[in-house]
Amino acid sequence: KAGVTQTPRYLIKTRGQQVTLSCSPISGHRSVSWYQQTPGQGLQFLFEYFSETQRNKGNFPGRFSGRQFSNSRSEMNVSTLELGDSALYLCASTLGVLETQYFGPGTRLLVL
Amino acid sequence: DQQVKQNSPSLSVQEGRISILNCDYTNSMFDYFLWYKKYPAEGPTFLISISSIKDKNEDGRFTVFLNKSAKHLSLHIVPSQPGDSAVYFCAAAQGGSEKLVFGKGTKLTVNP
Repeated sequence: KAGVTQTPRYLIKTRGQQVTLSCSPISGHRSVSWYQQTPGQGLQFLFEYFSETQRNKGNFPGRFSGRQFSNSRSEMNVSTLELGDSALYLCASTLGVLETQYFGPGTRLLVL
Repeated sequence: DQQVKQNSPSLSVQEGRISILNCDYTNSMFDYFLWYKKYPAEGPTFLISISSIKDKNEDGRFTVFLNKSAKHLSLHIVPSQPGDSAVYFCAAAQGGSEKLVFGKGTKLTVNP
């Protein structure tokens, strides 16, 4: 079974631009979560989608948004990029409650 | 306020010896705990988990211990192997939520 895939793997943007990252979960997994990893803050939860609905949300500004499609694929969008948004963005999928979350390789975003 | 803390940023052990990684948490509502291993340029890989109704869970060379009264958990790796060298993250969740709260990680180096 294929793992969680994320595209693109690397991205360079400039301040003020917006970016869309994509995540394809493991087949059959309906829950997709997004995390941001930075050296200073570590891994922080952004949001979680289940059956196309946002079910949980972390403490990030409204510039960070996401959505999930009927095939469980998910996208996250960051508008008006800031230098501090430079990070590794990780996506994880799971079958359901208390099931293990499996992570993708991440998208490394650099904002110049 | 960090709810999950890994106070040792790094740990170095000899091959064949025991590695003990520690994690403390402050939120008494957490009822599910996980350990992930992460290599550079890869997403975290699930290692082992434990529910708050247990105090020990074992899987091969990996054992997780949970001390609820002390709000402390630890991961034991016996025997340690050079391939175990990676960053280890402790994570916690509550009430069936998919939102994982991560510690900042401990870099384990196993020397041949």
